Amino acid sequence: DGGITQSPKYLFRKEGQNVTLSCEQNLNHDAMYWYRQDPGQGLRLIYYSQIVNDFQKGDIAEGYSVSREKKESFPLTVTSAQKNPTAFYLCASSIGGVEKLFFGSGTQLSVL
Amino acid sequence: AQSVTQLGSHVSVSEGALVLLRCNYSSSVPPYLFWYVQYPNQGLQLLLKYTSAATLVKGINGFEAEFKKSETSFHLTKPSAHMRDAAEYFCAVSGSSNTGKLIFGQGTTLQVKP
Repeated sequence: DGGITQSPKYLFRKEGQNVTLSCEQNLNHDAMYWYRQDPGQGLRLIYYSQIVNDFQKGDIAEGYSVSREKKESFPLTVTSAQKNPTAFYLCASSIGGVEKLFFGSGTQLSVL
Repeated sequence: AQSVTQLGSHVSVSEGALVLLRCNYSSSVPPYLFWYVQYPNQGLQLLLKYTSAATLVKGINGFEAEFKKSETSFHLTKPSAHMRDAAEYFCAVSGSSNTGKLIFGQGTTLQVKP
């Protein structure tokens, strides 16, 4: 079945450590997105990519980095510069334009 | 710029009662509007989408929403709530027709009492 796979489901970060969240899709979608979800704040866009080898900052990109070397993969790195990384991270994809987003099941990141 | 406001972070209804979740939007261009549902520890699923065709949009699981331009609203309704409808619901507006970016509301948690 086609879909989006996020891993790991739970991740713990130590002080000063960079961690990478994986997002893989087999839907052949061009566009991919990373959202951060905090209780009571809805979803906020971190980064998005409309095509391979290109990506743009969203509303809260500071402390995060991404790459888009392959169409099916859009990993997110939470760097040590992100001082409040504890959140639920959601990856999504779409065929592009204003079409519905398909979401992964999320990664819960916590700080040790 | 676009924005979304969901009125009420928590809504509680009895099973079989009407569900009404409120969403107001702000947009400088004709909006595309969405309702998504999220079950615990899962990603979001699309319930329905408005894209400037019919103002009354029917979605999955018996939900529907009506676009009212004069009120800048896109409220979500369901005539009769089921226990399985208990979840968090998000209203969203497209940030741009070119990028597909979505601006999400804060979310409304729906509780269904037996």
